[in-house]
Amino acid sequence: EAGVAQSPRYKIIEKRQSVAFWCNPISGHATLYWYQQILGQGPKLLIQFQNNGVVDDSQLPKDRFSAERLKGVDSTLKIQPAKLEDSAVYLCASSSLRAGPSRYNEQFFGPGTRLTVL
Amino acid sequence: QKEVEQNSGPLSVPEGAIASLNCTYSDRGSQSFFWYRQYSGKSPELIMFIYSNGDKEDGRFTAQLNKASQYVSLLIRDSQPSDSATYLCAVNTNYGQNFVFGPGTRLSVLP
Repeated sequence: EAGVAQSPRYKIIEKRQSVAFWCNPISGHATLYWYQQILGQGPKLLIQFQNNGVVDDSQLPKDRFSAERLKGVDSTLKIQPAKLEDSAVYLCASSSLRAGPSRYNEQFFGPGTRLTVL
Repeated sequence: QKEVEQNSGPLSVPEGAIASLNCTYSDRGSQSFFWYRQYSGKSPELIMFIYSNGDKEDGRFTAQLNKASQYVSLLIRDSQPSDSATYLCAVNTNYGQNFVFGPGTRLSVLP
């Protein structure tokens, strides 16, 4: 079974530029997550999709970040314009459980995209 | 604001010893609790989950949950140098939603 795919693996941009990240989850996984992990910190959930609908985007800085998951499969996360503090690893994860009454939800993480904003 | 706290470490233990990692959380409505391991430069991988009070054992790993004290821990028996990594505690509060990770504890197992 193929894992979660992400691209690019690394990206260096200047502040105020735009950048987009792509994620392809494990086949059949309905739930997709985007996390931001700043060096030395734990992952911070930015947005959670259930199929192509948004379940939770309470911590997404909506003035500059946007995400979509068309057709309920792969997803893109965009930053426009980027700030220095956006330098981080952006992790995509997927899980097979539906958002609903459940006590277990194993997330499988992709390799991440390391973003450096200069 | 839901919070998950962990000692940042580093926690150093000799090879063969028991490593004890601790995590506290602020939301009493939390339902599921996870321990992820993250090697330097790699993505997190799930090693344990627990949702009932008490202990849960899986090989050399034991997760302990005390909801009254809002405390979850991970014990690693017979620690090996390959266990050296950052251990992330994560809490799930709302039926598969609202995942919150702690800052992680860096563990170093000395040969």
